[in-house]
Amino acid sequence: SYELTQPPSVSVSPGQTARITCSGDALPKKYAYWYQQKSGQAPVLVIYEDSKRPSGIPERFSGSSSGTMATLSVSGAQVEDEADYYCYSTDSSGNHRVFGGGTKLTVL
Amino acid sequence: QVQLQESGPGLVKPSQTLSLTCTVSGGSISSGGYYWSWIRQHPGKGLEWIGYIYYSGSTYYNPSLKSLVTISVGTSKNQFSLKLSSVTAADTAVYYCARGYSGSYLEVYFDYWGQGTLVTVSS
Repeated sequence: SYELTQPPSVSVSPGQTARITCSGDALPKKYAYWYQQKSGQAPVLVIYEDSKRPSGIPERFSGSSSGTMATLSVSGAQVEDEADYYCYSTDSSGNHRVFGGGTKLTVL
Repeated sequence: QVQLQESGPGLVKPSQTLSLTCTVSGGSISSGGYYWSWIRQHPGKGLEWIGYIYYSGSTYYNPSLKSLVTISVGTSKNQFSLKLSSVTAADTAVYYCARGYSGSYLEVYFDYWGQGTLVTVSS
């Protein structure tokens, strides 16, 4: 089955740029999406189609994708950005919708 | 603003069928263009897509769960449901309903989510 691989954790100081990666064999042909999940809450879409930001999402959140790796960047990370972040995509056939294992972002 | 709310038993016995309903407000599930979805999250773990139903009635399931899952539109307006049969303790999870949106290249992603409901499988 298809897998998306993320680092378990990323830690930055407030004001620094946090980068969270997601690797998958189909990413050269499929978009990556990113979800933020704060403790006890439902996931929230922060990036869609590799680099687009939904309305209401702060500009410090950005996304990019190159080859088999997609990256979520949080510029000037704030304490309120502490959360689990999940990438999401599909395999090359489009039949397997998959989330990455999640990355815990710590800002302190 | 679309809102989704899950409802159903919080405790299910092993080997029985888990049944959940999602009530959608702020938009009609029959209006077209969306994929009404179920996603679950095991305690302390990541997200797992279960499946979705298109407004036309077509269904798409996670291949690993396909033989056990049924997603259907509810008899009441603006509801859709999930049935997962022959449950075990491994099906204990928070179950989310969500709206799937088909963007560029017909890729489906989830733009609105319910708050989730914890279902525990235990005797």
